[in-house]
Amino acid sequence: GAVVSQHPSRVICKSGTSVKIECRSLDFQATTMFWYRQFPKQSLMLMATSNEGSKATYEQGVEKDKFLINHASLTLSTLTVTSAHPEDSSFYICSAGGGRPGGTEAFFGQGTRLTVV
Amino acid sequence: AQSVTQLGSHVSVSEGALVLLRCNYSSSVPPYLFWYVQYPNQGLQLLLKYTTGATLVKGINGFEAEFKKSETSFHLTKPSAHMSDAAEYFCAVSEDNDMRFGAGTRLTVKP
Repeated sequence: GAVVSQHPSRVICKSGTSVKIECRSLDFQATTMFWYRQFPKQSLMLMATSNEGSKATYEQGVEKDKFLINHASLTLSTLTVTSAHPEDSSFYICSAGGGRPGGTEAFFGQGTRLTVV
Repeated sequence: AQSVTQLGSHVSVSEGALVLLRCNYSSSVPPYLFWYVQYPNQGLQLLLKYTTGATLVKGINGFEAEFKKSETSFHLTKPSAHMSDAAEYFCAVSEDNDMRFGAGTRLTVKP
């Protein structure tokens, strides 16, 4: 089946630095990708919808200047956590597909564990 | 590490019929279990979750799921399907740090 690759799987960064997370659809084109965040012992939270060639759509309460999303091609979306702080430490996961009537199923990346120290 | 298996990538039911979507998990610790739904052109939405306590969990839109430890299952049910239930459903398991999703089940509802 289709594969979504997310990289890196784990990253540790210093407070104040920026971290980029990549989400690639390996064998299909994804005009839309979704970014989620999970807090420990809690459900996944949709952060934003990444649209190829246009601006991402952010969910209420998500700072777009903090979490920069770029979807420059049909196979790659990136999430950059800018000026990271310890409270940004979390599990981030992307998905692609599954968003269109009659379209492909959704596939998830492996997730990225971000730790800000 | 935890994992999830959803039996049946596609399920088709008639409107008004029982919906049953199967999910089995493996986990080395008592798991947190989730069901998500994705409607066309939208991101995931949480249907329901099990953490602790009552094993029968009720969610939105009339869905419910029962945690059965002996069967390592968390099947999703709804007594009467509605056309608006047509979507993709994902079961997920979390061991506190990371979440793992099943492959998803596409539910089709026939009139």
